Amino acid sequence: DTEVTQTPKHLVMGMTNKKSLKCEQHMGHRAMYWYKQKAKKPPELMFVYSYEKLSINESVPSRFSPECPNSSLLNLHLHALQPEDSALYLCASSQLDLGLSNQPQHFGDGTRLSIL
Amino acid sequence: GESVGLHLPTLSVQEGDNSIINCAYSNSASDYFIWYKQESGKGPQFIIDIRSNMDKRQGQRVTVLLNKTVKHLSLQIAATQPGDSAVYFCAENAFSSGSARQLTFGSGTQLTVLP
Repeated sequence: DTEVTQTPKHLVMGMTNKKSLKCEQHMGHRAMYWYKQKAKKPPELMFVYSYEKLSINESVPSRFSPECPNSSLLNLHLHALQPEDSALYLCASSQLDLGLSNQPQHFGDGTRLSIL
Repeated sequence: GESVGLHLPTLSVQEGDNSIINCAYSNSASDYFIWYKQESGKGPQFIIDIRSNMDKRQGQRVTVLLNKTVKHLSLQIAATQPGDSAVYFCAENAFSSGSARQLTFGSGTQLTVLP
């Protein structure tokens, strides 16, 4: 079992709906990440949070809105999505690098999102 | 931008044989590399990592080799088992802004273990 928990596991929504994806970790990690993964493709980085502040936004459309309410939680708010947004959305967390210390990212099992 | 890629999209091996999965990277400034295993319906699972000041690192049944001269990374799995069947990604961990690192994945290799 992964130590990064994502809910829901599956989500089907219409293009006019508003929904949220949730991610939780209790490893004390201060960096959290959202990735999008299409079938048979590698994960693509969307957002990075460091110390609960957004540090990287990879030119993601505004219909995706991330939120980091505290050091354990990460949300991704969805509104007016398009069919091409259907994908697996992965959350990850890691310790923050201190100096030359490298820290791997740990992933949840994702939310499988389908847009009708 | 820089890219991390894999030589082979698929690899089939007999159960009990050793597997070698290769990866090429192009960013000479990359200093940290990770191998992930992703099973169907799951998220990527950390296998092993290596820093650029090393050329070899061993784990349980897995070894990662790093050749910085030719920018090549490989994952060796000893005595491959059916449970090793999955997609394997190499990833380059590159410094971006602040102290959170940006992870760039290669295209992945599907490993199939034959009985």
